Amino acid sequence: GAGVSQTPSNKVTEKGKYVELRCDPISGHTALYWYRQSLGQGPEFLIYFQGTGAADDSGLPNDRFFAVRPEGSVSTLKIQRTERGDSAVYLCASSPSVTSVEQYFGPGTRLTVT
Amino acid sequence: DQQVKQNSPSLSVQEGRISILNCDYTNSMFDYFLWYKKYPAEGPTFLISISSIKDKNEDGRFTVFLNKSAKHLSLHIVPSQPGDSAVYFCAASGRIQGAQKLVFGQGTRLTINP
Repeated sequence: GAGVSQTPSNKVTEKGKYVELRCDPISGHTALYWYRQSLGQGPEFLIYFQGTGAADDSGLPNDRFFAVRPEGSVSTLKIQRTERGDSAVYLCASSPSVTSVEQYFGPGTRLTVT
Repeated sequence: DQQVKQNSPSLSVQEGRISILNCDYTNSMFDYFLWYKKYPAEGPTFLISISSIKDKNEDGRFTVFLNKSAKHLSLHIVPSQPGDSAVYFCAASGRIQGAQKLVFGQGTRLTINP
């Protein structure tokens, strides 16, 4: 079966531009998580969805970051007015439910803001 | 504040010997601990977990030990193989605002020398 997929794998953008990062979770997984991994650090929680709703977005660094999951499957992380400090690998994970301990990660999108 | 810490950024071990990776945590509310393995350009892959009510869990060459009084866990790999060379992340899971969120350490790069 297919795992979590993320597109694009790499994204280079200029400071101030808008970007969208896409995540396709494992089919049937209701919980979806976004993490950000900076160089030399572990992944840091950004937001999670239970179904279509963002149940907890406490990890989003500021209001330039927004995520949606309109049909309870694919999710898009949106970053407005990108800054060089946004450069990182953005990881998506899914799990069968929000009470499941194990999360399955995608390969990530490496975002570089120049 | 770093709730999960991996104090060794790197570790080098001879093939066939035991690899021991360490992790410390501060929050006693965590109820599961997990180890993830990460190869370059791939997402973290689940390796092994342990519930906070246990002190040992074994799966083939991998064993995780939990010392709750010391808030310390370790991953033992024996015998170590070249394919084990990767970055290993310790993660702690707790039911925070309804979801089993993962809090990651900074990672330890393990190199197995032939």
